[in-house]
Amino acid sequence: GAGVSQSPSNKVTEKGKDVELRCDPISGHTALYWYRQRLGQGLEFLIYFQGNSAPDKSGLPSDRFSAERTGESVSTLTIQRTQQEDSAVYLCASRTGFPLTGELFFGEGSRLTVL
Amino acid sequence: AQKVTQAQTEISVVEKEDVTLDCVYETRDTTYYLFWYKQPPSGELVFLIRRNSFDEQNEISGRYSWNFQKSTSSFNFTITASQVVDSAVYFCALSEAGYGGATNKLIFGTGTLLAVQP
Repeated sequence: GAGVSQSPSNKVTEKGKDVELRCDPISGHTALYWYRQRLGQGLEFLIYFQGNSAPDKSGLPSDRFSAERTGESVSTLTIQRTQQEDSAVYLCASRTGFPLTGELFFGEGSRLTVL
Repeated sequence: AQKVTQAQTEISVVEKEDVTLDCVYETRDTTYYLFWYKQPPSGELVFLIRRNSFDEQNEISGRYSWNFQKSTSSFNFTITASQVVDSAVYFCALSEAGYGGATNKLIFGTGTLLAVQP
């Protein structure tokens, strides 16, 4: 597609359940980033992919969070045993791989609500 | 460590007023990039501008203008003759400009909510 696509757009889950959030970046963009935006707050960096590898996972808040990327395209962010504090909008962004100085193109986000 | 501060949490203006959104950043890098993004109520972030640290020229794009001052580590954004459609959250962001494995992730401020009243 023309832009970054994320699914689901909305997810309501019960505490303790696992969730998977999907990101389909712009075709040809080798760099992919996940961010988290809590209500009324700024964007927190979670993880960065260059191709299929993740050289920077420094923003993942706990070992309940993991992400993978296959085929230099789709990425999945998985949250295990969800907690209420995980409620947020999860944003995916992509950019061309080199140089890494251009704008980030963002998707519309996946809004996660943990009851 | 890199940090972006947007001290104005919310600003409310009446249509046609000019408004300036402040952004102050911290970095030890000599080469870096600064960005502004707009997040309307729909939620999707819209890119507005990117400026590298070597270019201190002010930029104007229609009703938008940006003032970059390295001496004060500021990158302020002014909207002239504001309109209701300008109502959104505006984020300032900072990125390193490294190569060879650097992530160049954007570090965002907490955003400024601009409400333009008709």
